[in-house]
Amino acid sequence: AQTVTQSQPEMSVQEAETVTLSCTYDTSESDYYLFWYKQPPSRQMILVIRQEAYKQQNATENRFSVNFQKAAKSFSLKISDSQLGDAAMYFCAYRSARASGSGGGADGLTFGKGTHLIIQP
Amino acid sequence: DAGITQSPRHKVTETGTPVTLRCHQTENHRYMYWYRQDPGHGLRLIHYSYGVKDTDKGEVSDGYSVSRSKTEDFLLTLESATSSQTSVYFCAISPKYEQYFGPGTRLTVT
Repeated sequence: AQTVTQSQPEMSVQEAETVTLSCTYDTSESDYYLFWYKQPPSRQMILVIRQEAYKQQNATENRFSVNFQKAAKSFSLKISDSQLGDAAMYFCAYRSARASGSGGGADGLTFGKGTHLIIQP
Repeated sequence: DAGITQSPRHKVTETGTPVTLRCHQTENHRYMYWYRQDPGHGLRLIHYSYGVKDTDKGEVSDGYSVSRSKTEDFLLTLESATSSQTSVYFCAISPKYEQYFGPGTRLTVT
């Protein structure tokens, strides 16, 4: 079974600065997908960024980028120019690309326990 | 928005009573999921569906059952609610390999 570990329960950053959230995972598979989700106080789960394991290029979405190190099984999220609206819980998640016997790759996501990001004004 | 709604959004129920949570999508996606979120655990998969009448168990399926009689609706049932099932429940759909979540249902079992 896959596991996802977020070793930072809480991080704090000054507004406009850059912060990096860490995520490591354990898998024996070679093909998979990785995600970062944001959960603000509203409780809504919002997809921030995604990475396909077969792609060497790190994904970028505006101020959000990842550092994907496949050999090290590491998937960190960098937030540049932090804004007050970035304050939230951030979850790292893993999904196998393997087609399951019945669902054709319909297996769910495996989540880390989350990092609470605080933005200091 | 991914076109997912959940009902009810909040529910308080007593131990031993049956509870059904509903997830509705307007996107006509094949795959749907139920997760629960508890402090210190992130989200954990309860059950998922890969088509009408096709479902399978996830990591924490004990005490839960699901049904999917229509593409747009995925129901989660607690046959006899227990206090350990107090949680926030999220439904999700999967257009490709990413997943999009509904707003969640906060369930309290007293």
